[in-house]
Amino acid sequence: KAGVTQTPRYLIKTRGQQVTLSCSPISGHRSVSWYQQTPGQGLQFLFEYFSETQRNKGNFPGRFSGRQFSNSRSEMNVSTLELGDSALYLCASSLEGGRDTQYFGPGTRLLVL
Amino acid sequence: GNSVTQMEGPVTLSEEAFLTINCTYTATGYPSLFWYVQYPGEGLQLLLKATKADDKGSNKGFEATYRKETTSFHLEKGSVQVSDSAVYFCALSRDNFNKFYFGSGTKLNVKP
Repeated sequence: KAGVTQTPRYLIKTRGQQVTLSCSPISGHRSVSWYQQTPGQGLQFLFEYFSETQRNKGNFPGRFSGRQFSNSRSEMNVSTLELGDSALYLCASSLEGGRDTQYFGPGTRLLVL
Repeated sequence: GNSVTQMEGPVTLSEEAFLTINCTYTATGYPSLFWYVQYPGEGLQLLLKATKADDKGSNKGFEATYRKETTSFHLEKGSVQVSDSAVYFCALSRDNFNKFYFGSGTKLNVKP
């Protein structure tokens, strides 16, 4: 089975712009989670989607949003980018969420200038 | 609440040394426990997991035992290699929470 794929792998944006990141889960997986990873804050949970519904959300401002499509693919969007949004954004998929094992993609590295 | 605490890194060892990375957790109920590894420039890879008390997860020479009495899931390897140099994350998950709780990560450096 193909693993979790994320596009693009690298992105450079300037402050104030917006960005959309994409994640394709493992075939058959219905839950998709997003995490932000930075050297200072470590891994922080953004949100989780299942069957096109957001089931859980972390403590991030409303500039961070996401969605999931009927084929389980997911996108996350960050509007009005700030320098502090520079990070590695990781997507993970699992069968149903809950305690199911999460499988991670390679991440999208976002640099905000 | 739910949380995972890992030992601070970096941990520096010589090749063939014994490795222990401590992980303790706080959670009600019966969480599943995981170790993930992250190599430079990559995402997280599942290393091993355990889903109930006294289970031992193992993979690639790494082992960890789910100890409910001490709320711990320490990672061990008998003989590390240079290729084991990476960051290791301990994590827990629970039913109905739909998120993983990760520790802060422990960087391992193995010298030849």
